[in-house]
Amino acid sequence: DTGVSQDPRHKITKRGQNVTFRCDPISEHNRLYWYRQTLGQGPEFLTYFQNEAQLEKSRLLSDRFSAERPKGSFSTLEIQRTEQGDSAMYLCASSQGAGLAGGSTDTQYFGPGTRLTVL
Amino acid sequence: KNQVEQSPQSLIILEGKNCTLQCNYTVSPFSNLRWYKQDTGRGPVSLTIMTFSENTKSNGRYTATLDADTKQSSLHITASQLSDSASYICVVSRSNDYKLSFGAGTTVTVRA
Repeated sequence: DTGVSQDPRHKITKRGQNVTFRCDPISEHNRLYWYRQTLGQGPEFLTYFQNEAQLEKSRLLSDRFSAERPKGSFSTLEIQRTEQGDSAMYLCASSQGAGLAGGSTDTQYFGPGTRLTVL
Repeated sequence: KNQVEQSPQSLIILEGKNCTLQCNYTVSPFSNLRWYKQDTGRGPVSLTIMTFSENTKSNGRYTATLDADTKQSSLHITASQLSDSASYICVVSRSNDYKLSFGAGTTVTVRA
């Protein structure tokens, strides 16, 4: 399977625990995005990498959240001291784009998501 | 206020029937508009993409239209199948920003 993969698919944790999710993008894609999606809503942007550089973080990404893409390939999203409000689907997407300019028509390919439940 | 509004929120149709989903947006400056299909528990999958100069795009039984003047788009599903049951999300991109603006989606349920 050459699509975007995410691990784990489901995570149940207790409030206050730390969790880490992994995303493996399509291998030739230089852009990687993290989104959060709650039930009945569209995805909300969290952060964006071009290669290994994290170019933007949403205000939704509090200081408990950190994302890395150390070698410009896979990425991790860590949530520290989880809260019940963190319960959501966390989606990763990747695309191949040129330059840093916006408005590109490159299609973002989404992974299956990691569903987080914080008890 | 969300810059991409979709209607209806949900709909139920019988297998073999047609349906049309609506998307209104205020995103500016406009670059392109995509329709994604999201099956339950899965990530969204791109169906169509339209730029400013395109007013219709088809992908099998899915046909999307775009009126950039009125900032409206529609997605028409022809001869619906049970596998069309999913959430359909309208996504708009700005010409100066890589971030996408997502609608909340329309949940379509196709019944036999």
